Amino acid sequence: EAGVAQSPRYKIIEKRQSVAFWCNPISGHATLYWYQQILGQGPKLLIQFQNNGVVDDSQLPKDRFSAERLKGVDSTLKIQPAKLEDSAVYLCASNRDRGSPLHFGNGTRLTVT
Amino acid sequence: GDSVTQMEGPVTLSEEAFLTINCTYTATGYPSLFWYVQYPGEGLQLLLKATKADDKGSNKGFEATYRKETTSFHLEKGSVQVSDSAVYFCALMINQAGTALIFGKGTTLSVSS
Repeated sequence: EAGVAQSPRYKIIEKRQSVAFWCNPISGHATLYWYQQILGQGPKLLIQFQNNGVVDDSQLPKDRFSAERLKGVDSTLKIQPAKLEDSAVYLCASNRDRGSPLHFGNGTRLTVT
Repeated sequence: GDSVTQMEGPVTLSEEAFLTINCTYTATGYPSLFWYVQYPGEGLQLLLKATKADDKGSNKGFEATYRKETTSFHLEKGSVQVSDSAVYFCALMINQAGTALIFGKGTTLSVSS
């Protein structure tokens, strides 16, 4: 089966600019996750979707970050405006149902200058 | 809250040495436990998992046993290879809540020939 697809692979922006990331999960996977992985740390959950509804966005900085999953398939994560501390790898993951292992995309490496 | 603690890295070993990477957890429910691996330049991949106490997960020569009494899930391999050089992440998921994975900070393993 095809894996989780993410784009772009890399992005460099200046602070206060906006940026968007795209994710296409594995077909049939109802749950989709966005994680932020800062260099030297483990991934941290930003938001979890079940189909097109939000399950958990408690750690999403809502003043600057937003995410949507229209039609319960693809998802986009947006940052506006970006800060220097947003430099990280943004990982998208999906799984079929509760308790099943997550499958991760290769991530988008964001550098904010 | 729920959390995962891993031993600090980097871990540097010679080829064919024995590997242990310690992982302990704190969880309010009944977690499933996972080890993920991130090879240089690649995305996170599931290495092994265990879903209940005393289960042993194994894959590619790696093993980890779910120890409820010590809240641990240590990763072991009897003879490491240069190709095992990667970052290893211990993670938990609270099954009943349908929550996302919670990761440790990761342990970098470097194996030399």
